[in-house]
Amino acid sequence: QVQLQESGPGLVKPSETLSLTCAVSGYSISSGYYWGWIRQPPGKGLEWIGSIHHSGSTYYNPSLKSRVTISVDTSKNQFSLNLSSVTAADTAVYYCARQAASGSSRGALDIWGQGTMVTVSS
Amino acid sequence: EIVMTQSPATLSVSPGERATLSCRASQSVTSNLAWYQQKPGQAPRLLIYGASTRATGIPARFSGSGSGTEFTLTISSLQSEDFAVYYCQQYNNWPLFTFGPGTKVDIK
Repeated sequence: QVQLQESGPGLVKPSETLSLTCAVSGYSISSGYYWGWIRQPPGKGLEWIGSIHHSGSTYYNPSLKSRVTISVDTSKNQFSLNLSSVTAADTAVYYCARQAASGSSRGALDIWGQGTMVTVSS
Repeated sequence: EIVMTQSPATLSVSPGERATLSCRASQSVTSNLAWYQQKPGQAPRLLIYGASTRATGIPARFSGSGSGTEFTLTISSLQSEDFAVYYCQQYNNWPLFTFGPGTKVDIK
């Protein structure tokens, strides 16, 4: 059974960098798929942040690209998100998810983590 | 950027009734569209991909249709566990993608 679990600080100060990790179990990141981050501000909809392939290829939402870095650590079977210069607008639940990379489901997010709430406040 | 819109914003339906949700893309996404269900406090769950293919374990009462710019999610007979928010997602310019704003299905 494939599972994803987000971890990281629940509170980040304005102007600092938000850092989260997604640990994957039951599946090797190196076996394929893309691995993505999605966020959801309180009471609002979903926003894709970016995705990474096990090879290290990354793709970011153009609206966040200047502040986002996603990396992968295949030895630990996990991937990470860094979002710099955060403001209150970055307060959200952050989800990690597996993104199909081939076949008819390519692009769909088939497995999600439970999400972690991050608040930006001094 | 492909912009997704969904209608209605809220749909009030009685249990056992049919629900029809719409999703529109600002330009053609062919059949590269998925639907997700999200219940309060939970992560989204994949229902449909490729506009019309049910994901693993999804009941047959959920069906998707459409192509190009117009898509529909139909729930044939609403069960109590189906009251939730539903999002569409286009991935035509994969691996980049965008979500719609969501439709909330609540109890009439």
